[in-house]
Amino acid sequence: GQNIDQPTEMTATEGAIVQINCTYQTSGFNGLFWYQQHAGEAPTFLSYNVLDGLEEKGRFSSFLSRSKGYSYLLLKELQMKDSASYLCAVRVRQAGTALIFGKGTTLSVSS
Amino acid sequence: DGGITQSPKYLFRKEGQNVTLSCEQNLNHDAMYWYRQDPGQGLRLIYYSQIVNDFQKGDIAEGYSVSREKKESFPLTVTSAQKNPTAFYLCASRNLNGAKNIQYFGAGTRLSVL
Repeated sequence: GQNIDQPTEMTATEGAIVQINCTYQTSGFNGLFWYQQHAGEAPTFLSYNVLDGLEEKGRFSSFLSRSKGYSYLLLKELQMKDSASYLCAVRVRQAGTALIFGKGTTLSVSS
Repeated sequence: DGGITQSPKYLFRKEGQNVTLSCEQNLNHDAMYWYRQDPGQGLRLIYYSQIVNDFQKGDIAEGYSVSREKKESFPLTVTSAQKNPTAFYLCASRNLNGAKNIQYFGAGTRLSVL
């Protein structure tokens, strides 16, 4: 079966750096996505990795190792508005074009 | 404005009633999806459609039905057979030909049972 694991909750302080890990066991891997979701709102796209390595976009970076079934999202210079859930999602060929989501990591940033 | 519009934002269902959630997109995206989100749970796929007049069941299709008569529209009906319908419902779409094929989401519909 398909399985995606990420920590349930994390806490950090303003200005700090936090790394949110995601491990997956899937067949037919075809890309990994990170989304941000504020409470009661729609998920918004953050990053996409399909090849091994690091993708950097401003304060956010995402890393992928396909051989290890592992990804992380790195958030730098944390701000209060970064308090949200972060969803790891994998696209697999067998699921057509849909994504399989982890349960999400709720990040709380304090001052 | 381009985007995905879900309506209504809040919906209440009575026992034995069917209700329909609307999802419209003007992004000219080929594929559309319906997910359900429960507290502490990830998004779970209900149905998806890659072309007009065709759709596929996701992981939790029982008690739901969909149609795709137009490219822009993918309504979801929550039938009386769905015994636990209270959840946050998210519609998404994506362009099948894009390099990254990013899936974009609507603002969601929160369904509760009276």
